Amino acid sequence: QVQLQESGPGLMKPSETLSLTCTVSGGSISSNYWNWIRQPPGKGLEWIGYVYYSANSNYKPSLESRVTISVDTSKNQFSLTLGSVTAADTAVYYCARARYNSGHYYFDYWGQGTQVTVSS
Amino acid sequence: DIQMTQSPSSLSASVGDRVTITCRASQSISTYFNWYQEKPGKAPKLLIYAASSLQSGVPSRFSGSGSGTDFTLTISSLQPEDFATYYCQQSYSTPYTFGQGTKLEIK
Repeated sequence: QVQLQESGPGLMKPSETLSLTCTVSGGSISSNYWNWIRQPPGKGLEWIGYVYYSANSNYKPSLESRVTISVDTSKNQFSLTLGSVTAADTAVYYCARARYNSGHYYFDYWGQGTQVTVSS
Repeated sequence: DIQMTQSPSSLSASVGDRVTITCRASQSISTYFNWYQEKPGKAPKLLIYAASSLQSGVPSRFSGSGSGTDFTLTISSLQPEDFATYYCQQSYSTPYTFGQGTKLEIK
């Protein structure tokens, strides 16, 4: 059974850089697509971007200038870096695996989520 | 970006009811479409992928249909554990986008 677990700081100040790590267990990170998705308080889900194990990545355009998603196959981990955070970046951040099957792409395993709050 | 619009935003129903949630895409997305269930404090769970394929382990009372721009999620007989928020999501093109959610509550 694949499991994902997010880790990172819970509280940040505006203008700081957010760094989150997702540790994958029960399966290899050297296949599939690895995503970050967030959910601001009281709002819906927002896809941030993905990294493929080969290190190809794709980001939501409105976040692209501030986001990097990277993979470390030796540790079976992938990470999110989000620069210059503001209160609008306050959210629960999820890491998720996506399967790509016959052209269809879907998030089949998710972490439990980690709350990130940006406040001065 | 492709906009996904769910209806209704909230719904009250009773155990045993048949429930349908709809989702409309702002452009045709074929069947590149998925449904998720979210419960408070828990990660979202994949229910349906490719518009109508049931994810392994998901009860058969859940079904999905549709293609193009209009999609439905049907729960044939509501069980107590089904009261949750449901999200649709398109995988036709990046950025992948979700609907705003439908909160299913006990009547």
